[in-house]
Amino acid sequence: GAVVSQHPSRVICKSGTSVKIECRSLDFQATTMFWYRQFPKQSLMLMATSNEGSKATYEQGVEKDKFLINHASLTLSTLTVTSAHPEDSSFYICSAPLGGRAYGYTFGSGTRLTVV
Amino acid sequence: QQQVKQSPQSLIVQKGGISIINCAYENTAFDYFPWYQQFPGKGPALLIAIRPDVSEKKEGRFTISFNKSAKQFSLHIMDSQPGDSATYFCAASTTGGGNKLTFGTGTQLKVEL
Repeated sequence: GAVVSQHPSRVICKSGTSVKIECRSLDFQATTMFWYRQFPKQSLMLMATSNEGSKATYEQGVEKDKFLINHASLTLSTLTVTSAHPEDSSFYICSAPLGGRAYGYTFGSGTRLTVV
Repeated sequence: QQQVKQSPQSLIVQKGGISIINCAYENTAFDYFPWYQQFPGKGPALLIAIRPDVSEKKEGRFTISFNKSAKQFSLHIMDSQPGDSATYFCAASTTGGGNKLTFGTGTQLKVEL
């Protein structure tokens, strides 16, 4: 089945540094990638939608300069958390629509970001 | 109008019992209703999904019941097992390439021996 491979699974970084999270679609082309943030015991909150070859669309309240999204190819979308702060610590998850005849979405395994 | 309301927030069920989680939506344009299972530290995994042209869908021990007129849908887990202990999210979206999912608030299920 369609799989989105997300890396890294865990990352610890120092305040002020930047962290890049990658999501790769395996054996299918992901023209769209959704990026979510999830706090402990809470639901997934959509941060932004990236489309291959165009600028990402950010949800209200999400700082586009802090959360840089790049979708340069049909198989790779990246989220870069810039100048990270402890409040950016969270679980980040990507998801792609399956497309074609299959309706639905596939999710990455998530990235646990801890900013110290 | 984009909200999906989910209840209960948490649920404790005895092994072998039936777990029932309910969701309600407002947006009548929604036409895809999936349920996801999430274990700690993992991404959500699709459990079962339904389209509004049917009122019920069953896959193994998991059943979705859908009431279009009431704008409600529910997940039933039959013969609940300790391994089913996880967080469950309902969601909804509209058909069409690239449309986003709207998630419910989640239900933490614990199945006790």
